[in-house]
Amino acid sequence: GESVGLHLPTLSVQEGDNSIINCAYSNSASDYFIWYKQESGKGPQFIIDIRSNMDKRQGQRVTVLLNKTVKHLSLQIAATQPGDSAVYFCAESSRNTDKLIFGTGTRLQVFP
Amino acid sequence: DAGVIQSPRHEVTEMGQEVTLRCKPISGHNSLFWYRQTMMRGLELLIYFNNNVPIDDSGMPEDRFSAKMPNASFSTLKIQPSEPRDSAVYFCASSFGDRRYNEQFFGPGTRLTVL
Repeated sequence: GESVGLHLPTLSVQEGDNSIINCAYSNSASDYFIWYKQESGKGPQFIIDIRSNMDKRQGQRVTVLLNKTVKHLSLQIAATQPGDSAVYFCAESSRNTDKLIFGTGTRLQVFP
Repeated sequence: DAGVIQSPRHEVTEMGQEVTLRCKPISGHNSLFWYRQTMMRGLELLIYFNNNVPIDDSGMPEDRFSAKMPNASFSTLKIQPSEPRDSAVYFCASSFGDRRYNEQFFGPGTRLTVL
């Protein structure tokens, strides 16, 4: 189901360019973070995660950066492709709770 | 691997009716999660089970909502009576293990519309 909001922040990039999607979190106790990708009509899909003892983690074409000082998380997608078009959510959790708290999401649009 | 299976994919009902959403987790997974996604509130955890036992139901909005997991391969989320504000997409997710670091695999969701 197309479940994302009509007023999501949107990032528009040209195919082949790099994309950077940002996320701010508020709980200083959060120590585990995940990025999810949600395509239209589908459920969220895990992309990459990072624990608070790391500042950077790389996957295939994706890199997550964590700045605990300012409570900021970013997802970098290299050589963005049309298939990357989706809504991207960051999620956080802490030792106080096993729950994942999801952010509001950012829509990524890739133009040819 | 069939992934997490949810049914129905779409449900339209009238206010006051009972609604039952169904989920089949990935075989071998022992944690199951129910989420609700709306434009206003984003993605929220309603309840999660570990080894068929409800561990945290603090996200269940009110007594009209109930969830069960009678066995490792099936869970239901029931709303009775339903209200228009319950309209949302409901996702089921499963994972292996009871730790928060374990990857959750989401189903395709059930889009519920309450008229």
